[in-house]
Amino acid sequence: NAGVTQTPKFRILKIGQSMTLQCTQDMNHNYMYWYRQDPGMGLKLIYYSVGAGITDKGEVPNGYNVSRSTTEDFPLRLELAAPSQTSVYFCASSSSGGINTGELFFGEGSRLTVL
Amino acid sequence: AQSVTQLDSHVSVSEGTPVLLRCNYSSSYSPSLFWYVQHPNKGLQLLLKYTSAATLVKGINGFEAEFKKSETSFHLTKPSAHMSDAAEYFCVVSGPGGGADGLTFGKGTHLIIQP
Repeated sequence: NAGVTQTPKFRILKIGQSMTLQCTQDMNHNYMYWYRQDPGMGLKLIYYSVGAGITDKGEVPNGYNVSRSTTEDFPLRLELAAPSQTSVYFCASSSSGGINTGELFFGEGSRLTVL
Repeated sequence: AQSVTQLDSHVSVSEGTPVLLRCNYSSSYSPSLFWYVQHPNKGLQLLLKYTSAATLVKGINGFEAEFKKSETSFHLTKPSAHMSDAAEYFCVVSGPGGGADGLTFGKGTHLIIQP
């Protein structure tokens, strides 16, 4: 019963490098999300998806891209990493009904440092 | 538009004493409200939710919250703190229709439990 699994847990990037944060869920949830968490700032939505093949921008999408080819997977790609992207990234999912009740299921996070 | 304000960035209590974490919200409609907990190096977990039913909501681990429309508040309480309650707590408000991009997170309250 894994829930939402994120990899890697930690990563250090150099400015200008690219990488992909992986996220997979085994709950057959339609909705998936990527958030970033900065100290003292709460969570900000980067991108979300309401089903396979459908993605949309959240509040802070610049510098990121996503894809949703399957129900289970929702990778987040960082192109040309910048120090401003140093953050903790959380993937989350919810059932179609869950989003109307606010119940999201979160992964344990991926801590990214850009130097 | 909606917003949420957590009135304390840090709260420190002694084990066995009551816990009060304060949250005020702003919304132009009847909101849904939630509290999430984040233990160190973990993802967020739903504690409880208010969705226009009973104004006193009970959650997991002995926590409860009361929705007060006249005060636009949704404070989180627990009668007796336990060491395992030490964590970050987030108050969250849901936008109209509960859309996938409609959650607004507070900046968090760090709860410290003194032995």
